[in-house]
Amino acid sequence: GAGVSQSPRYKVAKRGQDVALRCDPISGHVSLFWYQQALGQGPEFLTYFQNEAQLDKSGLPSDRFFAERPEGSVSTLKIQRTQQEDSAVYLCASSLGDPQPQHFGDGTRLSIL
Amino acid sequence: GQNIDQPTEMTATEGAIVQINCTYQTSGFNGLFWYQQHAGEAPTFLSYNVLDGLEEKGRFSSFLSRSKGYSYLLLKELQMKDSASYLCAVWSGGATNKLIFGTGTLLAVQP
Repeated sequence: GAGVSQSPRYKVAKRGQDVALRCDPISGHVSLFWYQQALGQGPEFLTYFQNEAQLDKSGLPSDRFFAERPEGSVSTLKIQRTQQEDSAVYLCASSLGDPQPQHFGDGTRLSIL
Repeated sequence: GQNIDQPTEMTATEGAIVQINCTYQTSGFNGLFWYQQHAGEAPTFLSYNVLDGLEEKGRFSSFLSRSKGYSYLLLKELQMKDSASYLCAVWSGGATNKLIFGTGTLLAVQP
């Protein structure tokens, strides 16, 4: 299918390790978003790209979180020196523009031991 | 501040009608989305309201009152597969186009 693809689907890491989460948006989608979803909660905004430009990173919880989208397509969310509180589902979404609906990937379930 | 309220859980019977309410107080408003999310899956788009009134799409309808900061999602002829979490989200617009989500309403459809 031509949906948003995220990898890996599941990631287990030890506290202190670095992790990288990948998002392949729908082809041609200009806008890309990262959200964090805790169990039983709604997604919370992390960061927003328009093409390769990161226009909003106000939701990133700390400077351990870093996102990039160097060619305006694939995006990577990196978490350095992971902590247990980073355990969550990380969702990526893309849209043609705004206010077009955001289309979500299945997410990466991150567990920090 | 940003605040979006929805009931945590609801239960309904197969074939019936259910209304899920959402109230919001946000610093910006450029529209309201409803998403459906089955456990372990991606949220999927259901509806978008930017003007006051009712938007109907098959078994699903969504209503918006901007003056009251209120929306509801109406599901008719409930099916077992409608058991899922329903997320209300406000599009803040402006320089950032993020969605501000409520905590979601977990709907259980019983036979």
